[in-house]
Amino acid sequence: EDKVVQSPLSLVVHEGDTVTLNCSYEVTNFRSLLWYKQEKKAPTFLFMLTSSGIEKKSGRLSSILDKKELFSILNITATQTGDSAIYLCAVGKKYSGAGSYQLTFGKGTKLSVIP
Amino acid sequence: GAGVSQSPRYKVAKRGQDVALRCDPISGHVSLFWYQQALGQGPEFLTYFQNEAQLDKSGLPSDRFFAERPEGSVSTLKIQRTQQEDSAVYLCASSLVWAGGPRETQYFGPGTRLLVL
Repeated sequence: EDKVVQSPLSLVVHEGDTVTLNCSYEVTNFRSLLWYKQEKKAPTFLFMLTSSGIEKKSGRLSSILDKKELFSILNITATQTGDSAIYLCAVGKKYSGAGSYQLTFGKGTKLSVIP
Repeated sequence: GAGVSQSPRYKVAKRGQDVALRCDPISGHVSLFWYQQALGQGPEFLTYFQNEAQLDKSGLPSDRFFAERPEGSVSTLKIQRTQQEDSAVYLCASSLVWAGGPRETQYFGPGTRLLVL
């Protein structure tokens, strides 16, 4: 059975801290790994990773994928209160019949940034 | 509109009632997905459409759940004889294609929060 595990499940930090969120996966026919940020509404897309070792960066956020060890990390530097949200990791699969089309999500990491 | 829209945003139903949830995907997006998100959990896949064709319904939890996308744009998720365990947020997502680099990125709507009493 496909599995995506995120850690920690929740995290409280002070503004200005740097945080690292983890996502490990066991998925047959891996195609891509995605990170989303979810506040009290729709998950919003952050990154899509398909190749190992290539860092994706957007402002204070960055992410990297290790396809050999089957994990990804999401880094947030100089955190702000607006970064408070649930961060979801999801994995997409290559086509191999029914059940291939879905994204399989982890439970998310709830990040709280306090002033 | 610029993004995925869903309606209603909130729905309260009595146990046994039928409900219909609507999704308007981003214009031109071929792929449409429905997910169910229980409290404290990540979204779980329900079903997938490519245009009007429902290519995967392996995540639908029972035959009380039915989805359609008759003209390849708007989609409706129907739940018959609702049960308390159906209470969740139902998310719709669309993408340009199912697989193919950045074009496969799924964009989510705000969800419909369903409460079954």
